[in-house]
Amino acid sequence: SQQGEEDPQALSIQEGENATMNCSYKTSINNLQWYRQNSGRGLVHLILIRSNEREKHSGRLRVTLDTSKKSSSLLITASRAADTASYFCATLLQTGANNLFFGTGTRLTVIP
Amino acid sequence: DGGITQSPKYLFRKEGQNVTLSCEQNLNHDAMYWYRQDPGQGLRLIYYSQIVNDFQKGDIAEGYSVSREKKESFPLTVTSAQKNPTAFYLCASSIGGQDIETQYFGPGTRLLVL
Repeated sequence: SQQGEEDPQALSIQEGENATMNCSYKTSINNLQWYRQNSGRGLVHLILIRSNEREKHSGRLRVTLDTSKKSSSLLITASRAADTASYFCATLLQTGANNLFFGTGTRLTVIP
Repeated sequence: DGGITQSPKYLFRKEGQNVTLSCEQNLNHDAMYWYRQDPGQGLRLIYYSQIVNDFQKGDIAEGYSVSREKKESFPLTVTSAQKNPTAFYLCASSIGGQDIETQYFGPGTRLLVL
């Protein structure tokens, strides 16, 4: 399967702490995206990083991409209770199918 | 208010019955997608359509069918051939083209079997 794997599967932190989630994938990619899903809702796009980029920032989010290791990380700084959600990485392959492959997700709980 | 709508929010299926999930978007997007999500799992692609009157099978198309007669609509039918249909179904759209950028998701439909 080309699906990504997130690590850890679940993460619980105190409000104000930083949260780091990792994503590994198997096949060369065109871009990698991170999405957030609140329980029982649709996904919301957070950030996209292209294969020729190494780091990207958006507000309290920082994404890194290491194509040599086929991995990405999502860092949420100064977490808030409202950040509690599941976070998914999704990859667009460099060749072949023109659709996204989603990982299994990290369930983040931020304790107030 | 632009976006993607899915209906109904909950759907109950009796054994042997076909049911249809609705997905509508007013974002003027060319591409639309259907995903299935099982508890604690990621999303798996059922079908996708990059343009009107054309669609492609995803990873788990068996037991499902779709149509794309209008740009804004991409209904999914769960047929009686799908033996384990209980799941959360998500519809998404994107601008389209060669490189997929952001996908925009609807709120989802939860399908339950009676």
